[in-house]
Amino acid sequence: GESVGLHLPTLSVQEGDNSIINCAYSNSASDYFIWYKQESGKGPQFIIDIRSNMDKRQGQRVTVLLNKTVKHLSLQIAATQPGDSAVYFCAENKGSSASKIIFGSGTRLSIRP
Amino acid sequence: DADVTQTPRNRITKTGKRIMLECSQTKGHDRMYWYRQDPGLGLRLIYYSFDVKDINKGEISDGYSVSRQAQAKFSLSLESAIPNQTALYFCATSDRGESSYNEQFFGPGTRLTVL
Repeated sequence: GESVGLHLPTLSVQEGDNSIINCAYSNSASDYFIWYKQESGKGPQFIIDIRSNMDKRQGQRVTVLLNKTVKHLSLQIAATQPGDSAVYFCAENKGSSASKIIFGSGTRLSIRP
Repeated sequence: DADVTQTPRNRITKTGKRIMLECSQTKGHDRMYWYRQDPGLGLRLIYYSFDVKDINKGEISDGYSVSRQAQAKFSLSLESAIPNQTALYFCATSDRGESSYNEQFFGPGTRLTVL
C-alpha cells in the first residue's frame, strides 16, 4: 500500500548544529516529495519540494535528499535555530492530483540552547 | 498564512449537532482543500475543489459535506457531529496546476471538539 512515514517521532538538536529529519515512503510512483513545517498553533507551511527525478535540492539553510533506491527522503537544516522548532512533515504528491497527496505523521524538532 | 482564514478558530459542540467550518482566501487560487489532523498523525484529505463547480471526495469524506460558494470560499459541514470527529481541521489553497506540483497554502486551523 501507499504510506509515508517517519523513522523518529522526536528529534532534539543543539542550537547551531545541523538537523537531519528522515522519512520513508513506499509509493514509487510519486512525482514530488514535499517537506512542510508546522509551528505550534499554525497551519503547515511549505519548506521545499523535490521532483522524483532529482537526488538533491537546496534551499535557504535546507537541503532535501531523495534516495529512490531505498525509498528514503531526508531534510537537512543547517545551523539549527530556535525558530526551527516545529513539527516537520514529509508528504508525497502524484502530479496535480490532490487525491494523491499523502502526509507522514511528523517529527517534532526541539532545539537545546 | 493571513491570505487563508478559517472561522471559527475553536469550537466545542455536542454529539448530533450540525457544524459548519468556513474558509476564505484572498490568494485568487482556484483550488481549495479541507484536511483533518489528529494527534500524532499527518493531515488527511476530506474534500477538495478545483473550481466552483468541481467537488471531489478525499480520503475520509464520510460524515462530512462541503460547499464551494465562490472561488474564495469553501465550507465544511458536519451534518451530525460525533466524538471521533474531534480534531484539528485545516483549509488549504493552491493555484491551478498542470503536470507539476503546486504548493498548498494552509489556513491557521479550526480546533473542533465534539462532546
